[in-house]
Amino acid sequence: AQSVTQLDSQVPVFEEAPVELRCNYSSSVSVYLFWYVQYPNQGLQLLLKYLSGSTLVESINGFEAEFNKSQTSFHLRKPSVHISDTAEYFCAVSDEIQGAQKLVFGQGTRLTINP
Amino acid sequence: IAGITQAPTSQILAAGRRMTLRCTQDMRHNAMYWYRQDLGLGLRLIHYSNTAGTTGKGEVPDGYSVSRANTDDFPLTLASAVPSQTSVYFCASSDRGGDGYTFGSGTRLTVV
Repeated sequence: AQSVTQLDSQVPVFEEAPVELRCNYSSSVSVYLFWYVQYPNQGLQLLLKYLSGSTLVESINGFEAEFNKSQTSFHLRKPSVHISDTAEYFCAVSDEIQGAQKLVFGQGTRLTINP
Repeated sequence: IAGITQAPTSQILAAGRRMTLRCTQDMRHNAMYWYRQDLGLGLRLIHYSNTAGTTGKGEVPDGYSVSRANTDDFPLTLASAVPSQTSVYFCASSDRGGDGYTFGSGTRLTVV
C-alpha cells in the first residue's frame, strides 16, 4: 500500500521568506500526486496536482511542486510567503482501484507565517 | 454552488449514543469517502464507496458503518459512540480521471 511522509510537522517562517514543505511517498510506480491546503476551521482545498507531463506544477497563488520520480518526492515551494498562507498543508498520493481513486494523505505540515 | 454538504457542523454526543453524519453531493461523482482528521495523524480513510450500491472498508472502519443508496448521499453512522471517536469528520467525492477529491466543510464531533 502507498504511504506518504511529510517530514516536518510544523514550519515557521517570516513573511516574504521562501519556504519548502517536504513530501515523500512510498512507491515509484505511476501515481497521481496532490497538495491540499486547509485554512483554519475549513475543509481541504486542492492546491495543485501532478498527473503526468511536466514535472513542475504550479498553483494560482504562487506555490509550485516538483515531481521527482527517482527520489519519490513531491516537495512544495513558494519563493515569498504571505500572512494569508498560514494553513495546514497535506500531501497525498493516489492509486486508481476498481475505477475509483484512493487518496492516502501525509500527516500534514502546519505553516506559520510570522510578520 | 456545486459541492458537498455535511451536517451537522458540530455535535457533542454522549458515549453509547447512536449518531449519523450526513453527506450530500451535487456533482454526480461516482465515488465518495469518509475520513477522520486527528492531530498528528493527518486524514485516515474510514469507509468509501466506488459507486451507488457498493461500499468498502478503509484504514479505520471499526465502530462505523456506511450506506450508499443513491449517487448523492453517503451517511456515516456511529452505532454506539465512544470517546476515541472524537474527531473532525470529512466527507469527500471524486470522479474518474485524477482530478483529486472535493471535500465537505467537516463535522466536528465530541464524544463525552
